[in-house]
Amino acid sequence: GAVVSQHPSWVICKSGTSVKIECRSLDFQATTMFWYRQFPKQSLMLMATSNEGSKATYEQGVEKDKFLINHASLTLSTLTVTSAHPEDSSFYICSARKDRGPRSNQPQHFGDGTRLSIL
Amino acid sequence: AQSVTQLDSQVPVFEEAPVELRCNYSSSVSVYLFWYVQYPNQGLQLLLKYLSGSTLVESINGFEAEFNKSQTSFHLRKPSVHISDTAEYFCAVNYGGATNKLIFGTGTLLAVQP
Repeated sequence: GAVVSQHPSWVICKSGTSVKIECRSLDFQATTMFWYRQFPKQSLMLMATSNEGSKATYEQGVEKDKFLINHASLTLSTLTVTSAHPEDSSFYICSARKDRGPRSNQPQHFGDGTRLSIL
Repeated sequence: AQSVTQLDSQVPVFEEAPVELRCNYSSSVSVYLFWYVQYPNQGLQLLLKYLSGSTLVESINGFEAEFNKSQTSFHLRKPSVHISDTAEYFCAVNYGGATNKLIFGTGTLLAVQP
């Protein structure tokens, strides 16, 4: 159980276009989803946390107008990279967790990631 | 500041040898601890977790980790590794509180050689 599907797995697009990445929890309801960015041979950098039905909480230094996050249902969150440029090229990974709260001990379950290449 | 340290960026080891991947975290307050594994071009898979209770936790594929509160460590061990264990391993800590998010270490590449 606890399967997270991320789509697309790989996308190449021209500079200036917008790209939408979907993250779905297939067999559980995810009240909280997370979006990470990973640079080559580095750890995961948390970009934002989204709770179903409310606005996402962005980490310091992450542009909310550039990385739009929507978490409209308990099984789907989307990340839209608006007006993408080559410096936005990266590996983006989502994760989902079943519950919310200040002492959540539930693990995060990760999607397989999306490799985004902006030409 | 809350942090997670994985001192070894890469650990080369021969097949069937034992291995230990080190993980230390910054605070001795109550925490939840996780190890994740990442294969090339894939997301992270949960390997094992410590939430409470027994300080020794095991995974289904032979890995184990021991929570040591006094040393603020959660080292990952396996008595005999396989070629298929080659991957990046990330230690992560949930400190709870207002942030309630995972803090990841920088990862350790386990490179198993024949």
